[in-house]
Amino acid sequence: DSGVTQTPKHLITATGQRVTLRCSPRSGDLSVYWYQQSLDQGLQFLIQYYNGEERAKGNILERFSAQQFPDLHSELNLSSLELGDSALYFCASSVAPDPRDTQYFGPGTRLTVL
Amino acid sequence: GDSVTQMEGPVTLSEEAFLTINCTYTATGYPSLFWYVQYPGEGLQLLLKATKADDKGSNKGFEATYRKETTSFHLEKGSVQVSDSAVYFCALSSAGGSYIPTFGRGTSLIVHP
Repeated sequence: DSGVTQTPKHLITATGQRVTLRCSPRSGDLSVYWYQQSLDQGLQFLIQYYNGEERAKGNILERFSAQQFPDLHSELNLSSLELGDSALYFCASSVAPDPRDTQYFGPGTRLTVL
Repeated sequence: GDSVTQMEGPVTLSEEAFLTINCTYTATGYPSLFWYVQYPGEGLQLLLKATKADDKGSNKGFEATYRKETTSFHLEKGSVQVSDSAVYFCALSSAGGSYIPTFGRGTSLIVHP
């Protein structure tokens, strides 16, 4: 158990819908990362937050957005969903903002878009 | 840009066999290199890392040496167990990518008793 929690574990929805994925980092970790894992693209970095502020942005679509709240939990919002958005979404956390520091991954949310 | 290339799997071995999973990379400057492991139904866990040339990372019997001359970071274990069955990811962090990890596609390892 990494100490990172993600909810829900599974999510099934239809094209065009909007969903919110939630992540609670390990106690004491200020940095949160979001990744998408799909069969065709592999594991792709989406976005990083550190202590409430956006710190780095990767291959995140404009239909996707994220935020980190004062209690340090983070939410990833996916809108106008397409079939190709079906994937595993991982959250990871670390103490410091340096991405080279050890990141602790949650168990993931499996999103299926029908 | 940065990239990581791993051998395609699955790699299928018998218990106590020797394991090698090849990983080569392309990056600007001097990246940090990582191996992560993903057990079924779980998130990734850092297995080992190396931050400069000729460094050897090791953990749980796994080893990998940072070889700058061949831009490689091959994962090895002398005697695998059934419990090592998982997907292994090679990754790098470099200044060119603002240190955000770039991951390989993963190599599935299946160990039979």
